[in-house]
Amino acid sequence: AQSVAQPEDQVNVAEGNPLTVKCTYSVSGNPYLFWYVQYPNRGLQFLLKYITGDNLVKGSYGFEAEFNKSQTSFHLKKPSALVSDSALYFCAVSPLGLQAGTALIFGKGTTLSVSS
Amino acid sequence: NAGVTQTPKFQVLKTGQSMTLQCAQDMNHNSMYWYRQDPGMGLRLIYYSASEGTTDKGEVPNGYNVSRLNKREFSLRLESAAPSQTSVYFCASSPQGREQFFGPGTRLTVL
Repeated sequence: AQSVAQPEDQVNVAEGNPLTVKCTYSVSGNPYLFWYVQYPNRGLQFLLKYITGDNLVKGSYGFEAEFNKSQTSFHLKKPSALVSDSALYFCAVSPLGLQAGTALIFGKGTTLSVSS
Repeated sequence: NAGVTQTPKFQVLKTGQSMTLQCAQDMNHNSMYWYRQDPGMGLRLIYYSASEGTTDKGEVPNGYNVSRLNKREFSLRLESAAPSQTSVYFCASSPQGREQFFGPGTRLTVL
């Protein structure tokens, strides 16, 4: 079965330190990969995506993600965390690329807590 | 542009009651989706509509029906609500070849 795993329910990091939120996937073919962020009582906001090309993808708010095909991973990173980065982060996979109507498979989410 | 809008924002139902969740997008997107979000389970797809006039089941369609009223609007109906349908419901839309855009959500409680 196709799936996305976010092995950490919560990640705690001090402000100014680098952060990593992990994601691995089990999908056949060449999937498209996404990260979304959800602030309390809000909808999901798109951060970045990997389709093809450079394995390091840069996105919104200083976030980036590294695609590793051999490890089937797509970890989210940021060099210097901010308290305002505290939120719920979702990794998602589109098994069929971005064809019309292709639904996303989501991980369970990782809560990022940045302390001052 | 308002993006993706959902109504209502909150709703409390009694078991057996029915209701319709409304979703509209003003971005001229072809595809629309309904997800539910439950703690520790991420988002799960209920139904989707690849284009106007078509709808398909997702991962958890039981207990729900949908209508793609036109290109802008995609509604989700609960005919006989059950406590297991207590959740946060998100509508999303996407244009061809791009990521999905999400609405603010509807928080539903079924007593």
